[in-house]
Amino acid sequence: KAGVTQTPRYLIKTRGQQVTLSCSPISGHRSVSWYQQTPGQGLQFLFEYFSETQRNKGNFPGRFSGRQFSNSRSEMNVSTLELGDSALYLCASSPGHLNTGELFFGEGSRLTVL
Amino acid sequence: KQEVTQIPAALSVPEGENLVLNCSFTDSAIYNLQWFRQDPGKGLTSLLLIQSSQREQTSGRLNASLDKSSGRSTLYIAASQPGDSATYLCAVRPSNNAGNMLTFGGGTRLMVKP
Repeated sequence: KAGVTQTPRYLIKTRGQQVTLSCSPISGHRSVSWYQQTPGQGLQFLFEYFSETQRNKGNFPGRFSGRQFSNSRSEMNVSTLELGDSALYLCASSPGHLNTGELFFGEGSRLTVL
Repeated sequence: KQEVTQIPAALSVPEGENLVLNCSFTDSAIYNLQWFRQDPGKGLTSLLLIQSSQREQTSGRLNASLDKSSGRSTLYIAASQPGDSATYLCAVRPSNNAGNMLTFGGGTRLMVKP
C-alpha cells in the first residue's frame, strides 16, 4: 500500500511568486492535513480537508490556501511568497470520519524562498 | 491554548542504554497522544498512538505511557541503537476531536553513539 505522496520534494522560488504543492493521501483515506515546519516555530497546523471541505484552519494568513479533490488528493497554494515562508511543508492523511486513528505523514515539500 | 513541551531538547547516549523522553501538555482535555520519529530532512513516522483512556502502548523496544491528569507522557526506548538516532516528537489531539489539528512539541533530538 503506497504511503502519502508529496510533490514536488524540493523547490526554490523568489519573493512575490506563488507556489502550489500537491499531496496524494493513502488510498482510502479521506482526510488530508497540512503542516508547516520551520526551525523557529516547529510544526504548525495549516488546514485540514475532509470530503472536499475545509474542516479546520490554523492561524495563518490568507495567502495560504488549499483545496481537496473528489479523489481526496489535495493541493495547497501560497501566494505572494515571503522569505519567512521557507519551510518544510508536510501533508498527512488519516482514514474515516472519526479521527480516532493515527496520522500518516508524507516526506514533505521543502520550499526555499529567495 | 494547548502547549506541548518536550524535555530535553537534545540527548546523546551510548549504544545500549535505556532512555526516557518526556512530553508535557498544559490542557489535559486531550483525545489522544501520538509519538513520531523524524529523520533529518524527512517526514514523520508514527511510532505509537495512545488514546486518552489508555495508560500505555508498546511496540518492540518502545513503550509510551500517558498520565492525562498530570499532563505528561513518556517514551521509553530500551537498549538504544545508533539507528534510533532521530528527532522524536509528541503531538496531542484535543478532546473535542477537532479533526487532525494536532499540537506538536518542539521535539527531542536523540543521538545514540556506537
